[in-house]
Formats: sequence, structure tokens, C-alpha cells
Amino acid sequence: DAKTTQPPSMDCAEGRAANLPCNHSTISGNEYVYWYRQIHSQGPQYIIHGLKNNETNEMASLIITEDRKSSTLILPHATLRDTAVYYCIVRPPGTASKLTFGTGTRLQVTL
Amino acid sequence: DSGVTQTPKHLITATGQRVTLRCSPRSGDLSVYWYQQSLDQGLQFLIQYYNGEERAKGNILERFSAQQFPDLHSELNLSSLELGDSALYFCASSRRRDYPTGTDTQYFGPGTRLTVL
Repeated sequence: DAKTTQPPSMDCAEGRAANLPCNHSTISGNEYVYWYRQIHSQGPQYIIHGLKNNETNEMASLIITEDRKSSTLILPHATLRDTAVYYCIVRPPGTASKLTFGTGTRLQVTL
Repeated sequence: DSGVTQTPKHLITATGQRVTLRCSPRSGDLSVYWYQQSLDQGLQFLIQYYNGEERAKGNILERFSAQQFPDLHSELNLSSLELGDSALYFCASSRRRDYPTGTDTQYFGPGTRLTVL
């Protein structure tokens, strides 16, 4: 699986957009980018995933660069409940496979 | 709520003992994964079952074992427990494929916190 690099921590004011970057320069052409988050010690929560195109769902948007070497997760209007550790994970498609979690980015949303 | 349930939520036991953690996957999901999260190791994959059969193994100790039953629930058995086994244990489930992308999104349960004294 491709390795990812994320900043260890970020701050964001409540109501503002949170933009979380992820570098995955060794990603293969068929590997997907997944984002999960973990709030305190709860189970990791799936947020979004994508291959080449930008994706949006009710939780977030995922912007993947054209060369696919990096991506950005965007929480459009961060709230205090978005405070969590965010994990960017690259994994191959098709068959079920493990998730390899790195250290993630600890996002702190403040008033 | 992911639809994945785990019991018990908390477990406190002594060194040398044996415990069983239980996971019920989301309705219709065939794959179950087990992960361990300790303070110094982060989230690590232990083992995966698909439709009752072991599919992949990660950093699972020989003292640990798992199985998936015909109703698709899974159990993780931890024996000869040591202090270092204290951790959060998560299970996740997925379908074989998420159409139309062909990927396989895993959904996690709330976890079992194991404390070994």
C-alpha cells in the first residue's frame, strides 16, 4: 500500500472550512484514497473516498490533484464535533483488504 | 451508528486469563476485520474473515485467534493475557464490493476496551 504523509495537527475555527492535506506521492494508478476519522476513542468513522475525480458527500469533499500525488479533505463548515484524528489511507481496489492507518492529523476545532 | 456492534464495551481481567470479544457485522456484510489500537502502536490490522473463512492475517499474536460463524458474527479470542494486551479492539465489516466503484468500504464498530491488570 502507498504511504501517506499528513501534518500531525491542525486548528480550525468553528464555522470555517477545514482543509486537511495528504501526500501520497507513491500512489499507484488503481489505488483509492480513503479518509476516516476517529473521535476520541470511538471506532473510526468512514468519511469519503475517491480515485481520480473530486468527490462530495454529506460529510465532506475530497479534492485529488491531477497527478494524484496529493489530496485534500474539506469539511466545509467545521463544528466542535468535528474535532478528531483524521486518517488518509491509500489502498488497492477490488478485493477486500486491510486498512493501514498512519498517525493521521489531529484536528482541533475551536470557538 | 455504523451498524456494527461489539460486546462487551469494557473488559477488565487479570494476566494469564482468556477472554472472548464478539462482533456482529452490518446486515449483509460478508467480511469482518479485527484491529487493535494501543497507545504506542496505533491502529493495527489483526485478521480478516470473509464468509466464514480466514482471508488475511496481520500482526496477530499466536495467543490470539478468531473465527467467523455461519451467521457471520465473529469472535476474537485472546489467551494467556499480558499487560501489553491492554488496548482497544475494533472490528469492522464490509461487503465484497461497493458498486459501481469496485472498492470495499469498511465500517467500524464502537470497540471493546480491554484492560489487563
